[in-house]
Formats: sequence, C-alpha cells, structure tokens
Amino acid sequence: GQQVMQIPQYQHVQEGEDFTTYCNSSTTLSNIQWYKQRPGGHPVFLIQLVKSGEVKKQKRLTFQFGEAKKNSSLHITATQTTDVGTYFCAGPKGSGAGSYQLTFGKGTKLSVIP
Amino acid sequence: SQTIHQWPATLVQPVGSPLSLECTVEGTSNPNLYWYRQAAGRGLQLLFYSVGIGQISSEVPQNLSASRPQDRQFILSSKKLLLSDSGFYLCAWVLRGTDSPLHFGNGTRLTVT
Repeated sequence: GQQVMQIPQYQHVQEGEDFTTYCNSSTTLSNIQWYKQRPGGHPVFLIQLVKSGEVKKQKRLTFQFGEAKKNSSLHITATQTTDVGTYFCAGPKGSGAGSYQLTFGKGTKLSVIP
Repeated sequence: SQTIHQWPATLVQPVGSPLSLECTVEGTSNPNLYWYRQAAGRGLQLLFYSVGIGQISSEVPQNLSASRPQDRQFILSSKKLLLSDSGFYLCAWVLRGTDSPLHFGNGTRLTVT
C-alpha cells in the first residue's frame, strides 16, 4: 500500500538556524499537504501543493513539490521559538468522491533552542 | 463557518472498561469523517473513515469500532479497552467530493490504566 516517509524524525536547532524536513511517497501523488501540530495540540493545515515542481512560500516557510510528484520538502528560514512543533506531510489515497483518505508521514518534531 | 467538536478532552479509563468518544461537525453537510489515533510521540494512524450515514470503513483491525448515526456525528467505541488503546484520538472532516485538507478536532487524550 501507499507509504509516506518523512525524515528526519527529530531536529533540534538553535534559534535563527534554518530547518528542513523531507517527505517521500511510494506512489505518485495528486497533491501533497503539510500540517503543523503544536505540543499538546491537533494538526493544523499549512498548505497544499498540486503541481509538479510547485514552490510556495508562507513568510519564512518554503514548500516544494517534486517534479515527479513523489517527494516534497518544507524549509523554515531563521527558526523562531514559535516554530516548535511536529510537521507532517500527507498524501491522498482514493478519490475525493468516495474513499478519500490522507496518509500521513510520521512527522518531524522540531525543537528550537533559544 | 464550519466547526468540529470532540469530547471529552481527556479520559482515564481502566483496562476492560468500555469507551465512547463523540465527534460532531457543524456548518457543513455530507462531510467525510475520520478517526485517527496518535500514540505518544508517533505519527497519525487512520482508524476509520465514513462517507455517509451508516457507512464505515476500517483501516486497522482492532477492538475499536465506529458508527455514524447522523450525517455530522461520528462515534468511536470499544467494548473492552486494552492498555495499547492509550493515545491521542483525533476526529477530522473534509468536504466530500474534494481533495481538500482535513480539519481536525481538538482531540481526546485517552489513558488506559
């Protein structure tokens, strides 16, 4: 079945350093979604990438979707303590009309040392 | 606007006791509904999803079950809890017929003792 793998599992950075998490799918994806879960909270949607090679930015966050639509990355420039949390990528399985499901990667837990 | 409610927020139950977690969605109709479980420090595991009233698909065989008695109500149950059922249970919804992002509830943190 479809697998979504994410590395690294943990990342500790000094405040101000950059951070990158990588996501790879065993199958080609129609889109990829990124979520952030703060400690003790629930996952919150960040962004969805649909097109091959797509790059989107949200302030200090840059998201990329690979040309083959099987991999993606999230890069945070100059991390802040507010970036702490676990970042998940997720790929859809099934169609939107019926059996739509999201397969999540195991997440990258980001710690920021002030 | 749409909202999703999940309760209780925390729950401590002894092994062998029953479980009922409830999730309701407001402000939308015919959503797809999902139950995920997150073990401590781990990823999100899809347990059940539903595309309509009475329609439940199970992703992982276990001693849990789900029901959807109404369009916007999704219930997760167990007759007898195991220690391994401890975790963070998340309900989520998405507009049916779309590849839209999931909207998660605040979750229920279940500890089985």
